Amino acid sequence: DVKVTQSSRYLVKRTGEKVFLECVQDMDHENMFWYRQDPGLGLRLIYFSYDVKMKEKGDIPEGYSVSREKKERFSLILESASTNQTSMYLCASSGQGLSQETQYFGPGTRLLVL
Amino acid sequence: QQQVKQSPQSLIVQKGGISIINCAYENTAFDYFPWYQQFPGKGPALLIAIRPDVSEKKEGRFTISFNKSAKQFSLHIMDSQPGDSATYFCAALKTDSWGKLQFGAGTQVVVTP
Repeated sequence: DVKVTQSSRYLVKRTGEKVFLECVQDMDHENMFWYRQDPGLGLRLIYFSYDVKMKEKGDIPEGYSVSREKKERFSLILESASTNQTSMYLCASSGQGLSQETQYFGPGTRLLVL
Repeated sequence: QQQVKQSPQSLIVQKGGISIINCAYENTAFDYFPWYQQFPGKGPALLIAIRPDVSEKKEGRFTISFNKSAKQFSLHIMDSQPGDSATYFCAALKTDSWGKLQFGAGTQVVVTP
């Protein structure tokens, strides 16, 4: 069974803290994605990676960075958390070729920045 | 700027009724159009998808209608059930873009008993 796991379901952090969100997939997928989900704005792509150590900016990369040292793991880093980064963060993965068409999502991490 | 525009933002339908969600796109390079379903507390999951060489695709009570010339596609949920209450996202993909989906803003569907 396909599985994407995220390290935390809920996180509460203070403004200015460095925050790490971890995502692990067990499908040997090449592509991995980080989105944030906000009401009325849908899913907005922050960063994606198509291979180990490769990363590309998405639509809203400001204030975020990512790391992909191993194929199965993709980390999202908030360098200095701000209140406007309070959101639901979703990780997803997909394969290549025709397999790229389907993204498998984790359950999400709800982050509150105070 | 969202490349896929989705409407309505929310929808309330009675059990047994038809739910219709509409999406429009501009980029004619898109060649795959999936719909994702998200239940509260869960991540989105693929529901149904269509390619632009087909005008309609049906899977059970879910049907996608696709109008290539109008650059529009829609999801119809027939005989809506309370278990269909969820948020629905349309999306579009261009081949050779590393699987980067462009999502619509989402539609929250509530089916009342």
